[in-house]
Amino acid sequence: AQRVTQPEKLLSVFKGAPVELKCNYSYSGSPELFWYVQYSRQRLQLLLRHISRESIKGFTADLNKGETSFHLKKPFAQEEDSAMYYCANLSPLNTGFQKLVFGTGTRLLVSP
Amino acid sequence: DVKVTQSSRYLVKRTGEKVFLECVQDMDHENMFWYRQDPGLGLRLIYFSYDVKMKEKGDIPEGYSVSREKKERFSLILESASTNQTSMYLCASRTRGQGVVGYTFGSGTRLTVV
Repeated sequence: AQRVTQPEKLLSVFKGAPVELKCNYSYSGSPELFWYVQYSRQRLQLLLRHISRESIKGFTADLNKGETSFHLKKPFAQEEDSAMYYCANLSPLNTGFQKLVFGTGTRLLVSP
Repeated sequence: DVKVTQSSRYLVKRTGEKVFLECVQDMDHENMFWYRQDPGLGLRLIYFSYDVKMKEKGDIPEGYSVSREKKERFSLILESASTNQTSMYLCASRTRGQGVVGYTFGSGTRLTVV
């Protein structure tokens, strides 16, 4: 079964420090990977997706098929980045109805 | 602005009660989903519905059922609530053809079973 692994439950950094939230996936085909974010008392929302190769709020994520990783990075963390971050993979089309499979999440805490 | 509305933000129920969690979307979306969110476990799919009156089990359906009688409403039912069902429940919807970018989540219902 496909799996998304986020090894860190909590990542604590100081404002201005670089941030890397780790995500590894287990799927031998071509994955469709995403990062979702949930700020305090807000609903879960899409942050970015690997196919668009975009930068949102200063965050980027590169798909590395060799390492089966999709780490989320930001060069200079801001206090407003403090939130829960989930990595997710879309189940393959050949398994039937496509569904999002989420990792266990990483809480990012940015201190002043 | 598109909306997925979950009727209750907080619920407290007793063990053994039958519990209904309601989710309504106003976007004419075909697909709707129920996830539960637990610390250290992430989001796990309970049930989903790809259209009216259609339902499929997700990864953790035990102890739950669902109802989709109208396109806009997707109900999650706990037949006999137990303390291990204390959790945050998230509803989501999307329309066919939009893929993952079309997922819209509700703000969640935090259920406590005592």
